[in-house]
Amino acid sequence: SQELEQSPQSLIVQEGKNLTINCTSSKTLYGLYWYKQKYGEGLIFLMMLQKGGEEKSHEKITAKLDEKKQQSSLHITASQPSHAGIYLCGADIPYLGSARQLTFGSGTQLTVLP
Amino acid sequence: EPEVTQTPSHQVTQMGQEVILRCVPISNHLYFYWYRQILGQKVEFLVSFYNNEISEKSEIFDDQFSVERPDGSNFTLKIRSTKLEDSAMYFCASGTATLGGPKNEQFFGPGTRLTVL
Repeated sequence: SQELEQSPQSLIVQEGKNLTINCTSSKTLYGLYWYKQKYGEGLIFLMMLQKGGEEKSHEKITAKLDEKKQQSSLHITASQPSHAGIYLCGADIPYLGSARQLTFGSGTQLTVLP
Repeated sequence: EPEVTQTPSHQVTQMGQEVILRCVPISNHLYFYWYRQILGQKVEFLVSFYNNEISEKSEIFDDQFSVERPDGSNFTLKIRSTKLEDSAMYFCASGTATLGGPKNEQFFGPGTRLTVL
């Protein structure tokens, strides 16, 4: 089965600092999703990566998928308190071309100190 | 911006009771999903639904669970006889479709927190 490992498990940074969260897969990824979750709330879609070497940015958040499609990183530039939350990576598991389920990592808890 | 909605936001029930969790997916989406997250644990896939039938289900999704799309807009998850271990946050998600399969972008609802006493 597909396993996703996220690191670090938790991260505390000072406002304004840059940070990186990593997601490593045991198998080649078909698609890699990043979501943000506030504790006890829903998942907010951030970005999806599919191609090896792909990089996407939204505001101060950049996500990359390596060429081998087994590792992704999420980078936040000049962090703000609004970036605080739990960041989840999810892997797309194709199943005979039909609806695809996502497998998630354990999440990275980000705290940004003002 | 279109979004997935879920009701209720919080459901408290007695063990052995039936519960129905409701979801309204994004209107032009054709693929629907239920996931759950036990407090402090990973988000886990339960079931996917397409073309009015279950497409895939996990081992968690046993005979106590069922899904339905009764009226073309709502998507429901029923748990027939709840157990203590069913206490979790349940998320509905929906996705678009392209030729040969979903576009892969899954948008999640805010979740229903189910507490079984």
